[in-house]
Amino acid sequence: DGGITQSPKYLFRKEGQNVTLSCEQNLNHDAMYWYRQDPGQGLRLIYYSQIVNDFQKGDIAEGYSVSREKKESFPLTVTSAQKNPTAFYLCASSVGLSGGYTFGSGTRLTVV
Amino acid sequence: GENVEQHPSTLSVQEGDSAVIKCTYSDSASNYFPWYKQELGKRPQLIIDIRSNVGEKKDQRIAVTLNKTAKHFSLHITETQPEDSAVYFCAAIEGGSYQLTFGKGTKLSVIP
Repeated sequence: DGGITQSPKYLFRKEGQNVTLSCEQNLNHDAMYWYRQDPGQGLRLIYYSQIVNDFQKGDIAEGYSVSREKKESFPLTVTSAQKNPTAFYLCASSVGLSGGYTFGSGTRLTVV
Repeated sequence: GENVEQHPSTLSVQEGDSAVIKCTYSDSASNYFPWYKQELGKRPQLIIDIRSNVGEKKDQRIAVTLNKTAKHFSLHITETQPEDSAVYFCAAIEGGSYQLTFGKGTKLSVIP
């Protein structure tokens, strides 16, 4: 997947459950991002991180949490507070300022 | 912050015809403008990009033009083929920023 790996590809969540989506990159990129994509919709930013141990909220951070303990990893937790979590989640990374993104292959999360 | 508007939201063309997708941006400090192609259920992939010191860039059947004065940029696809059918996203990034702002996407359908 071009140096950025998301897992799992498909994930099912029960009501009230927290789930964690994995994102790992070996591109030595400083910045990492999480986006949510709903059917027929664009990309909405959830969280982003410019450096290790630092991250900022995006446009739709409520009900989500992240950590950035290692440069290579930026996991996203979808908490029970997120009332409508069914969506396609995309992780991306970039080399830094004013740079393009490389996307992972995505995780499709479904609430059952 | 940056705001990116993209038009049209859907576009149908006959195979062999040209397709043009237009985007406008609000922040005159933006200096990097990538275009991504996303096939159904897959990750967005960078197809072409342009920086603010360049007016036009071509790569085979794909070209991007940038008008800094008017703050708009366009994607041109010539001799369209069925495999060009996908959703295309434009984006812009402000100089000194990590965060890309995406347009809402254009669904291109190439009719054989």
